[in-house]
Amino acid sequence: ETGVTQSPTHLIKTRGQQVTLRCSSQSGHNTVSWYQQALGQGPQFIFQYYREEENGRGNFPPRFSGLQFPNYSSELNVNALELDDSALYLCASSLPSGAQETQYFGPGTRLLVL
Amino acid sequence: AQTVTQSQPEMSVQEAETVTLSCTYDTSESDYYLFWYKQPPSRQMILVIRQEAYKQQNATENRFSVNFQKAAKSFSLKISDSQLGDAAMYFCAYRSARSGGSNYKLTFGKGTLLTVNP
Repeated sequence: ETGVTQSPTHLIKTRGQQVTLRCSSQSGHNTVSWYQQALGQGPQFIFQYYREEENGRGNFPPRFSGLQFPNYSSELNVNALELDDSALYLCASSLPSGAQETQYFGPGTRLLVL
Repeated sequence: AQTVTQSQPEMSVQEAETVTLSCTYDTSESDYYLFWYKQPPSRQMILVIRQEAYKQQNATENRFSVNFQKAAKSFSLKISDSQLGDAAMYFCAYRSARSGGSNYKLTFGKGTLLTVNP
């Protein structure tokens, strides 16, 4: 157990809908990263939040957005869902670079878009 | 951009024996971190071992050790005395040591599915 939690564990949505996924960081970690893992693939970096601001972004469209709250928990929002958004969404918490570079992952949210 | 390649989609090993999983990467940077993560069917990605590129000594964690060849850009994982609980998908990952922005991201390979036979 890493201490990182995510909710919900599973979710089914239809194309065009919006979804919000949640992540609670490991105690003491103030940086949260989100990854998308398609079936049979390695995780792909979506973005990272540090001190409530986006701190880096991968090759994902703007309909993928996020928030980080003062308690360091985080949300991933996806608008206008597409079939290809079906994947396992992982969040990972860490301390800022220079202190501890290792990212600790949550169990993920499995999203199915029909 | 950095890339990570795991050339073995699947591997199998007999319980109590040793297996080596391969990983190569491509980068123009001189300072970085390398990781092996394990993802069992429960889906939670678990850190197995990490290596700092500036360290010449190979990292070890109990039955897990790495062979880090910086010049060859190779980072293999050796699992000794394999146990049934080692069965999982193993991912090799790269992270830049640079500060700022997307440098903090992990770049993953496609994974190697390890089966442990009793």
